[in-house]
Amino acid sequence: EAGVAQSPRYKIIEKRQSVAFWCNPISGHATLYWYQQILGQGPKLLIQFQNNGVVDDSQLPKDRFSAERLKGVDSTLKIQPAKLEDSAVYLCASSLGRDSYNEQFFGPGTRLTVL
Amino acid sequence: AQSVTQLGSHVSVSEGALVLLRCNYSSSVPPYLFWYVQYPNQGLQLLLKYTTGATLVKGINGFEAEFKKSETSFHLTKPSAHMSDAAEYFCAVSLGKLIFGQGTELSVKP
Repeated sequence: EAGVAQSPRYKIIEKRQSVAFWCNPISGHATLYWYQQILGQGPKLLIQFQNNGVVDDSQLPKDRFSAERLKGVDSTLKIQPAKLEDSAVYLCASSLGRDSYNEQFFGPGTRLTVL
Repeated sequence: AQSVTQLGSHVSVSEGALVLLRCNYSSSVPPYLFWYVQYPNQGLQLLLKYTTGATLVKGINGFEAEFKKSETSFHLTKPSAHMSDAAEYFCAVSLGKLIFGQGTELSVKP
């Protein structure tokens, strides 16, 4: 079974530039998550999708971050414009169901450096 | 509000020694509890989880954790450390979404 795929693996940009990350979840997984992991901290949920609908985006900085999952499969996360404090690893995860006891399967992440 | 605290950002043990990684949570109701492991440049992998039932939970790679409601703890243990156990370990609590602790880096000395 293929795991969660993410690209790119690494990205370096300058502040005020835009960047986009892509995620392809495990086939059949209806729930998709984006997390931000700052160095030395645990992952923090940014947004949760159930199919193509948003379940929770309470911690997404909506003035600069956006995410979509138009066809209920793969997803993109965009930052525009980027700030220095956005430097982090962005992790995508997926699970079969939206209930919190379901195991989440994580991709390898995209490491973003903002200069 | 729910939260999770991992005691010790870095733990170092000798190969063959006991591994003990501490996790305490705060929650107004019994939560679901998880331990994840993260190897360098990889995503997180589930080690074990507690939802309901037996309070001693066994996971992969010989790890286990015990849910102690009276102590609001969910410490992770392994009787004998192996070099391959060196990684970052995250405790997480969920009552709707996962909230992770800050992580504990485990080093294993030969």
